[in-house]
Amino acid sequence: SQQGEEDPQALSIQEGENATMNCSYKTSINNLQWYRQNSGRGLVHLILIRSNEREKHSGRLRVTLDTSKKSSSLLITASRAADTASYFCATDVGSNYKLTFGKGTLLTVNP
Amino acid sequence: SQTIHQWPATLVQPVGSPLSLECTVEGTSNPNLYWYRQAAGRGLQLLFYSVGIGQISSEVPQNLSASRPQDRQFILSSKKLLLSDSGFYLCAWSDRPGGFEETQYFGPGTRLLVL
Repeated sequence: SQQGEEDPQALSIQEGENATMNCSYKTSINNLQWYRQNSGRGLVHLILIRSNEREKHSGRLRVTLDTSKKSSSLLITASRAADTASYFCATDVGSNYKLTFGKGTLLTVNP
Repeated sequence: SQTIHQWPATLVQPVGSPLSLECTVEGTSNPNLYWYRQAAGRGLQLLFYSVGIGQISSEVPQNLSASRPQDRQFILSSKKLLLSDSGFYLCAWSDRPGGFEETQYFGPGTRLLVL
């Protein structure tokens, strides 16, 4: 069953704008991760946020985690055309070697 | 540095034919290994994972199987392909025994089309 669900399914913005994607999950987690996938390629890890963290930054990426609402958001600031990709959240419940991925948000950044 | 290889990159196979996809990892030892399938426009479905040689855990019942004959080699197989086996197959590895704060590193994928 799907643990993480991203919202929206697709997002189209202009270069320079900020992009926000959300992820909701169902069970308690050890950490939550965001991955990026360019069309036809493998996934690339972007950032990991632990269950005891509320916010984390990496370059133009900002991730928040609200464990009370079982949700996370990924903010990409000052987007570029090269940010065009699908973005997936993945949850780690910490006990079974597995990550559970959502269905992803397709982000299109128009130049 | 670690690298992960998958081959072939693209495969077109007739229904009922066998399948063998290979994944190898370099630059690490005793990795956890994973096979995922991604249908068009969909998320990732975990098919199999392995925490050691000969240790395979299956996530979904299907006509696929996996084997890990060597520490850094993971093979996905089928005796008879179905149309529904078409998809993008991704291999991944991680280096966190016990699954704590596990980050996964993905290969480039194999696109399989069953006709």
